[in-house]
Amino acid sequence: QSVLTQPPSASGTPGQRVTISCSGSSSNIGSHDVCWYQQLPGTAPKLLIYRSNQRPSGVPDRFSGSKSGTSASLAISGLRSEDEVDYYCAAWDASLSGWVFGGGTKLTVL
Amino acid sequence: EVQLVESGGGLVQPGGSVRLSCAASGFTFSTYWMHWVRQGPGKGLVWVSHINSGGSRTEYADSVKGRFTISRDNAKNTLFLQMNSLRAEDTAVYYCARDLSGLDDFWGQGTLVTVSS
Repeated sequence: QSVLTQPPSASGTPGQRVTISCSGSSSNIGSHDVCWYQQLPGTAPKLLIYRSNQRPSGVPDRFSGSKSGTSASLAISGLRSEDEVDYYCAAWDASLSGWVFGGGTKLTVL
Repeated sequence: EVQLVESGGGLVQPGGSVRLSCAASGFTFSTYWMHWVRQGPGKGLVWVSHINSGGSRTEYADSVKGRFTISRDNAKNTLFLQMNSLRAEDTAVYYCARDLSGLDDFWGQGTLVTVSS
């Protein structure tokens, strides 16, 4: 059971916009920034979003992040087949004094 | 080129110990917080531990507290994870990561630890 809650799966068609949610609490998302990772099979996670809504250089602007209260979202617009991988949210948890991850969302491009 | 290369994984018996290493290159290792994150087979990411740049502050996930010890040697640009009293549920790919969630976030390719008799 992950501290941050993500839907296990999401789907969309090519060109569509999809969002992935990440729900937490006042001790993590409610008081700290969220980041998002993309993980291709058999590879290390890659940072997509940091400080809740910032993109590292090299990440396409099709990817965007937002945060409101104790929840965060990752939006992917102009969906492509190569987006069909796993996505994870993460945040610092002050009560646990540790980093917490969501359980991950597998995105399917129909 | 920034590189993090983990080593030390393998098959270990329940109750046994193993020491993971993460060799860093291409950046000033001594200025970054470093982390260990693990991923069980077919499962999600789980943060294990982190250590501050000077090595004086460490924190652990509850699941490993008292069994795992993180440390670093800034002179040798190397991060370590000493894992004792291993259990089957510790079976995972262990990643070392720099500056988790920050602008300089970077992960190694991981090393697999399998705990089995």
